[in-house]
Amino acid sequence: EVQLVESGGGLVQPGRSLKLSCAASGFTFSSFPMAWVRQAPKKGLEWVASISSGGGGTYYPDSVKGRFTISRDNAKSTLYLQMDSLRSEDTASYYCARHGDTLDYWGQGVMVTVSS
Amino acid sequence: DIQMTQSPASLSASLGETVSIECLASEDIYNNLAWYQQKPGKSPQFLIYYASSLQDGVPSRFSGSGSGTQYSLKINSLESEDAATYFCLQDSEYPYTFGAGTKLELK
Repeated sequence: EVQLVESGGGLVQPGRSLKLSCAASGFTFSSFPMAWVRQAPKKGLEWVASISSGGGGTYYPDSVKGRFTISRDNAKSTLYLQMDSLRSEDTASYYCARHGDTLDYWGQGVMVTVSS
Repeated sequence: DIQMTQSPASLSASLGETVSIECLASEDIYNNLAWYQQKPGKSPQFLIYYASSLQDGVPSRFSGSGSGTQYSLKINSLESEDAATYFCLQDSEYPYTFGAGTKLELK
């Protein structure tokens, strides 16, 4: 069974950093690209970052480019999202997702609140 | 960036009815369109990929169609468990973009 479990969320002040983790199991992690998607409270979904299966390719929307960094450790089957210079508009639930045929499996999400 | 315009924003239907939700892309996305169902407090559940391919385990009352810039999700014979918000996603090119969502209420 595919499982994705996010951790590392919490309350952080504007301008500070936070690093999310996503532990994967139930599939060959190193064979799949992965992604992060966020959802602000009562809002829609926003794609945040993607990474190729080997980690050599990373992709971001303009809203987070230069502030967020996606990475992975295939030996640990873990995906990461380093978030720097956080802003109030980054407040959201963050989901990691496997990129199979599409973003097919999603974690349960972790909440990040950016507030002073 | 490719814009995804989803409609309607909400709809109300009765058990047993059939409903359709539309997503219009601002340019051709070559069938790279997925549909998701999300219930309150839960993560999105993947229903359909490549516009019309049903994910394993998804009831056959769900179907997807479309091509080019116009896509739709159809739900036949609505059941109470279908009450949820539905989103489309284009993964044709980066940045991936989602539709704003359709909240389906069962009467």
